Amino acid sequence: RKEVEQDPGPFNVPEGATVAFNCTYSNSASQSFFWYRQDCRKEPKLLMSVYSSGNEDGRFTAQLNRASQYISLLIRDSKLSDSATYLCVVNGETSYDKVIFGPGTSLSVIP
Amino acid sequence: DAGVIQSPRHEVTEMGQEVTLRCKPISGHDYLFWYRQTMMRGLELLIYFNNNVPIDDSGMPEDRFSAKMPNASFSTLKIQPSEPRDSAVYFCASRPAVASYEQYFGPGTRLTVT
Repeated sequence: RKEVEQDPGPFNVPEGATVAFNCTYSNSASQSFFWYRQDCRKEPKLLMSVYSSGNEDGRFTAQLNRASQYISLLIRDSKLSDSATYLCVVNGETSYDKVIFGPGTSLSVIP
Repeated sequence: DAGVIQSPRHEVTEMGQEVTLRCKPISGHDYLFWYRQTMMRGLELLIYFNNNVPIDDSGMPEDRFSAKMPNASFSTLKIQPSEPRDSAVYFCASRPAVASYEQYFGPGTRLTVT
């Protein structure tokens, strides 16, 4: 089993739609979780951290389920500018200094 | 702050040649990471440094790859000799010592080995 797994998509959704991404991780001892966003031919950038109690940032909501070892990202009222690849990130098994990036889920928001 | 700086942005070289990629982390950041990204394998950690000291190089694919960090503001990733399968985007990232774990990425170097 890979350390971090994501549905690769692509997800093609119309503007205004709600879309959800899931991510599973293998290390039950992981403590840090993030969603990064990567635009085409650009570097990854932090979208939001994921906290145990769940957290929201505008149209974005992140949830953590430790028992099932999965993380979710919900995007409401999708905009064209949300089109990107979303990377699930979890701290590594052997060291909390480094993190493991999932393969990413591609999102295209269509007019 | 200028952010993480990488050079060159693009590199095209022939198989067998030496390639050196450069990175300047954000001032004050204690950690520096080198990643490689390909369509097939995604984003892979190659090596990371803490206070200029290499901590984990288990991701370095072969002895052809080497990385150094002679001071807090500069790091290099060298491939010698290069092979076509090394073609990828190489990212450098840095983060502060605090346990926020957010990494700041440079724009990457797109390497093509022919």
